[in-house]
Amino acid sequence: GQQVMQIPQYQHVQEGEDFTTYCNSSTTLSNIQWYKQRPGGHPVFLIQLVKSGEVKKQKRLTFQFGEAKKNSSLHITATQTTDVGTYFCAGFTNTGNQFYFGTGTSLTVIP
Amino acid sequence: NAGVTQTPKFQVLKTGQSMTLQCAQDMNHNSMYWYRQDPGMGLRLIYYSASEGTTDKGEVPNGYNVSRLNKREFSLRLESAAPSQTSVYFCASSPVGLGTQYFGPGTRLLVL
Repeated sequence: GQQVMQIPQYQHVQEGEDFTTYCNSSTTLSNIQWYKQRPGGHPVFLIQLVKSGEVKKQKRLTFQFGEAKKNSSLHITATQTTDVGTYFCAGFTNTGNQFYFGTGTSLTVIP
Repeated sequence: NAGVTQTPKFQVLKTGQSMTLQCAQDMNHNSMYWYRQDPGMGLRLIYYSASEGTTDKGEVPNGYNVSRLNKREFSLRLESAAPSQTSVYFCASSPVGLGTQYFGPGTRLLVL
């Protein structure tokens, strides 16, 4: 079954509100990557986290990797209409060296 | 640089027909991947090639075969298409096995 789950599946926010998506793996991950996919487009790499407890920022985006390396989050401050799209986490499992994408969170920003 | 290119962009098949999806990258990447994307399921790895000459199964390999023709090209073959293989197929490449993946524009496949 699906190894990496994301919540929520969908999120509608007013422009200017904050947004967070959570990523949870059933097994420990070697690393966690985040991708953004615009409607009709292809996934585009945003960032990679490797260390336990790591936090990285890209302008209004903040990414965290959990201490146990089984969960991660992406937080967007003051959303803009350009943030619309589906956000996926993805990572390699320590066991079996398999790579899994999360189920994705679709973000709609209402102007 | 074109990055990752995929052909065709769209394809309609009848059940039982075969076809090959082509993927090429011009970034001199070692690793290449094939995914399928279905609504609500995210992207699922079908096969990957960590380096030229090697291929490995991903999460959903049944019904597919792959060929790493050379460092640039990685093809995905459906020998006998089934309606369950209706999906959007993405090819990706990365410099190393655990690194950033660069995706192609996708192939939309409909199997009737």
